[in-house]
Amino acid sequence: KQEVTQIPAALSVPEGENLVLNCSFTDSAIYNLQWFRQDPGKGLTSLLLIQSSQREQTSGRLNASLDKSSGRSTLYIAASQPGDSATYLCAVTAGSSNTGKLIFGQGTTLQVKP
Amino acid sequence: ETGVTQTPRHLVMGMTNKKSLKCEQHLGHNAMYWYKQSAKKPLELMFVYNFKEQTENNSVPSRFSPECPNSSHLFLHLHTLQPEDSALYLCASSRTDGIGEKLFFGSGTQLSVL
Repeated sequence: KQEVTQIPAALSVPEGENLVLNCSFTDSAIYNLQWFRQDPGKGLTSLLLIQSSQREQTSGRLNASLDKSSGRSTLYIAASQPGDSATYLCAVTAGSSNTGKLIFGQGTTLQVKP
Repeated sequence: ETGVTQTPRHLVMGMTNKKSLKCEQHLGHNAMYWYKQSAKKPLELMFVYNFKEQTENNSVPSRFSPECPNSSHLFLHLHTLQPEDSALYLCASSRTDGIGEKLFFGSGTQLSVL
């Protein structure tokens, strides 16, 4: 059974720092991995999607990497800003086909202090 | 605005009530999903519909009854719920006929069962 773990559970940094969020999964047979952002009481916003054949994806100050064989992904946030404060969720597909079913980690809650 | 609209945003109901959650997507996606987010637990997939046919029921109790009349609309009918069913219910949609298709989430319905 696929399990997704995110470390740390919470993180507080001063504005301007570069930071790394970690995600690990137990079964390497995935179709893709997605990183989402969730603001309190709100839905999820997709940030980056990495196909199983890819190693990384970049969007602005965000860079996500994937090492499928070791079951790990990282989300790198450069020059953090107070507006980056949110919960970041990692999710992998349940299996290696494109069914859209995702298994989520519990998230990392990030606070960026001005 | 993600293109996925959920109503109502908040719902308080007694254990003997019957209510329905509604989700509508304007993205032309073929798949729609219900997820449950409880406090301190990862998001849990409840149901998946693909071209309005149910393709996944993740052992959800029968007091939750989904309905998908077409690819753009998804309902979750609720009856005789328990207090432990209080959670944020999230609807999502995606395409599953391509490569690298992200999930788009609605803002959720925060449900409280008294």
